[in-house]
Amino acid sequence: GNSVTQMEGPVTLSEEAFLTINCTYTATGYPSLFWYVQYPGEGLQLLLKATKADDKGSNKGFEATYRKETTSFHLEKGSVQVSDSAVYFCALRVQGWGAQKLVFGQGTRLTINP
Amino acid sequence: GAGVSQSPSNKVTEKGKDVELRCDPISGHTALYWYRQRLGQGLEFLIYFQGNSAPDKSGLPSDRFSAERTGESVSTLTIQRTQQEDSAVYLCASSSSTGDGYTFGSGTRLTVV
Repeated sequence: GNSVTQMEGPVTLSEEAFLTINCTYTATGYPSLFWYVQYPGEGLQLLLKATKADDKGSNKGFEATYRKETTSFHLEKGSVQVSDSAVYFCALRVQGWGAQKLVFGQGTRLTINP
Repeated sequence: GAGVSQSPSNKVTEKGKDVELRCDPISGHTALYWYRQRLGQGLEFLIYFQGNSAPDKSGLPSDRFSAERTGESVSTLTIQRTQQEDSAVYLCASSSSTGDGYTFGSGTRLTVV
């Protein structure tokens, strides 16, 4: 089946620190991979995505590279800010009729201290 | 509309009562999804609509849960005889026919007391 495993949180960092949130997946077929972010009191927002192997998704200083050989899609940011405090969800989707749903990891809560 | 709208935003209900949760997707989005997010946990898939048919209902936890969609518009998730374990945030999302770029609503927080 299809599943996503994320690094367990919570993660607490100081401002300007380097961030990595690990994400690995298992999938039948060739999935598209996503990172969603949920800021306090808000709905989920798409942060970035990659649709095929070796693609790099990027947005707001965050990056993730689709690694088929290691079945991973780790999220990175070189210098985090207090405003990056949120819950981050890794997700995959395998295309096909009846299989359009996103499968999410359990989420990683990130807190950035000033 | 401009975004996915869910109502109510909060609902407190007594155990055993029925509740209806509503989702208004983005206009023109053919696909609609319901997820559940329990406190401190990830998102749990419930059901997926393509148009007004539901090709994947595999996530509905029991026969107390049902959902319908009118055309390519509003969807209603109904929970009958609510139980305390139904307490969660219920999230709706919609996407275009390509299936890319889900847009989520802000959710309905359901509390069963």
